[in-house]
Amino acid sequence: GENVEQHPSTLSVQEGDSAVIKCTYSDSASNYFPWYKQELGKGPQLIIDIRSNVGEKKDQRIAVTLNKTAKHFSLHITETQPEDSAVYFCAASKAPGGGNKLTFGTGTQLKVEL
Amino acid sequence: KAGVTQTPRYLIKTRGQQVTLSCSPISGHRSVSWYQQTPGQGLQFLFEYFSETQRNKGNFPGRFSGRQFSNSRSEMNVSTLELGDSALYLCASSLEAGRGGELFFGEGSRLTVL
Repeated sequence: GENVEQHPSTLSVQEGDSAVIKCTYSDSASNYFPWYKQELGKGPQLIIDIRSNVGEKKDQRIAVTLNKTAKHFSLHITETQPEDSAVYFCAASKAPGGGNKLTFGTGTQLKVEL
Repeated sequence: KAGVTQTPRYLIKTRGQQVTLSCSPISGHRSVSWYQQTPGQGLQFLFEYFSETQRNKGNFPGRFSGRQFSNSRSEMNVSTLELGDSALYLCASSLEAGRGGELFFGEGSRLTVL
């Protein structure tokens, strides 16, 4: 089955700096790659996603890049703010059919310090 | 628009008992997925239901089961509870099944098995 590895497990940055989280996946058939943010006591919330026919996607301060050949994808957060502090999960799945069957990475605890 | 509602939010059971968790999806969403979240194993997919049919299943023993009703509400059941079943059980709903897209997670049901 699919295996998703995520690094680093913890990341501390100064407010205004950029943060990068990296993930690799094992199944070359995976084609949908979402990123979720989980705040304490809440369920995960989608922040951005990318499909395998796209190499990069950006939404304001957040961007995701995908390298299908190397089977890795990354989350980039620019101009970090204290409210960005949370746990971030990458995930992978195969659509159609298994698009909602997400294999998650182990998570990155991001702390944005003032 | 109301979000995904999970009940109960917290529960304590003893080994050997069974438990039923409930999930009410966002109005209009027909797909419901269940995930188990633990510190050791992270987020793991349990199963997905769409139009009262199980579409996908994760690698969990048969003690874990679920169902979906005609109004899209879903329940999951764990029989013969083990200590290792202690976890946060998350329900997520989406408009469609299988194609990949935003999953809307509830806040979870936290199960403690003593």
